[in-house]
Amino acid sequence: SQTIHQWPATLVQPVGSPLSLECTVEGTSNPNLYWYRQAAGRGLQLLFYSVGIGQISSEVPQNLSASRPQDRQFILSSKKLLLSDSGFYLCAYTRGGFTDTQYFGPGTRLTVL
Amino acid sequence: AQSVAQPEDQVNVAEGNPLTVKCTYSVSGNPYLFWYVQYPNRGLQFLLKYITGDNLVKGSYGFEAEFNKSQTSFHLKKPSALVSDSALYFCAVRDNSWGKLQFGAGTQVVVTP
Repeated sequence: SQTIHQWPATLVQPVGSPLSLECTVEGTSNPNLYWYRQAAGRGLQLLFYSVGIGQISSEVPQNLSASRPQDRQFILSSKKLLLSDSGFYLCAYTRGGFTDTQYFGPGTRLTVL
Repeated sequence: AQSVAQPEDQVNVAEGNPLTVKCTYSVSGNPYLFWYVQYPNRGLQFLLKYITGDNLVKGSYGFEAEFNKSQTSFHLKKPSALVSDSALYFCAVRDNSWGKLQFGAGTQVVVTP
């Protein structure tokens, strides 16, 4: 069976500090990977997606970047956090089929102070 | 562009009563529709999806959804709500590229004892 992990679960960072959030998937190869941000407990905003190692597509220009150094690893980064980067960050994957279901990780709660 | 709308910000229902969460969609081509549930500070959990075939789709935890092409709707239903069904529910439509999903704004379901 497939599982998806995210860490850390919670993070409190000062403005201007760097960020690194990690997502890993087990039990499947060459997944499509996605980063979302959920602000104010509601709307989901797709930030990045990746269909293979080293391939990153950005949906929204912003202070964040993403990388995929290994097949089942997806990293969300920032060099300098802003207050507006606070939110709940969710990683998700599909196994790649066109009608496949997207499965979500447990999320990381980021608070920037 | 594909989109979904959830017209209700919140739905209140008494335990044991039927639960309906509304979703309408706008797509070009065949719609691929999904329902997810989110509990506080958790990732999204997949409930069910419509790809093709029967208009009534059965999913997890006793939920089902009815696909109605003429009304462009995909309402989520449960015959008898439980207090534990209180959560945030998202409808989503598959984008035509790379598995991306467009999510609705979410509907908060409150089930009272």
